[in-house]
Amino acid sequence: GDSVTQMEGPVTLSEEAFLTINCTYTATGYPSLFWYVQYPGEGLQLLLKATKADDKGSNKGFEATYRKETTSFHLEKGSVQVSDSAVYFCALFGGWGNKLVFGAGTILRVKS
Amino acid sequence: GAGVSQSPSNKVTEKGKDVELRCDPISGHTALYWYRQRLGQGLEFLIYFQGNSAPDKSGLPSDRFSAERTGESVSTLTIQRTQQEDSAVYLCASSFDRGETQYFGPGTRLLVL
Repeated sequence: GDSVTQMEGPVTLSEEAFLTINCTYTATGYPSLFWYVQYPGEGLQLLLKATKADDKGSNKGFEATYRKETTSFHLEKGSVQVSDSAVYFCALFGGWGNKLVFGAGTILRVKS
Repeated sequence: GAGVSQSPSNKVTEKGKDVELRCDPISGHTALYWYRQRLGQGLEFLIYFQGNSAPDKSGLPSDRFSAERTGESVSTLTIQRTQQEDSAVYLCASSFDRGETQYFGPGTRLLVL
């Protein structure tokens, strides 16, 4: 079945550091790919998405590119802030499925 | 506009009791999903509604779990004879149609003592 693997955390960075959170997937067909973020004490929010190969999703300085050849959707940000501290979930919606399939989540901690 | 809402936000119950969790999706969204997030784990799919019917119930963990949706709007997830392993955050999401972006509610945190 479809699956998502993302790097284990926690990831601890200093403010203004470069962020990469790796995400790879296995899916039949052509899934849509998502990054969701869960800030402390809040619900799950859509951060960005991409629906086809080579698409780049971007929001709030975060970017991720849908790479079909490497089945990856890595999340990047050039300069993180303390306010980016949260749990980040990579997810896919498969072409033939009826649900989002989530990775285990990566905790990001940004220190000032 | 209003987002997805869920109630109650927190529920503490005793083992063996029944609980009902409610989800109000975004108006006009035909697809509705329930997920479960146990402590320190990712999100598990439970059930998907398209309109008032549930074409995919494959994630319901046992026959103690059931859900319904009425009026192509509100959905209720019912857990009968709760067990301690049912303790989790139950999340509801809705989307305009199947395959469209899902928007999540704040969740109901269930604790079974």
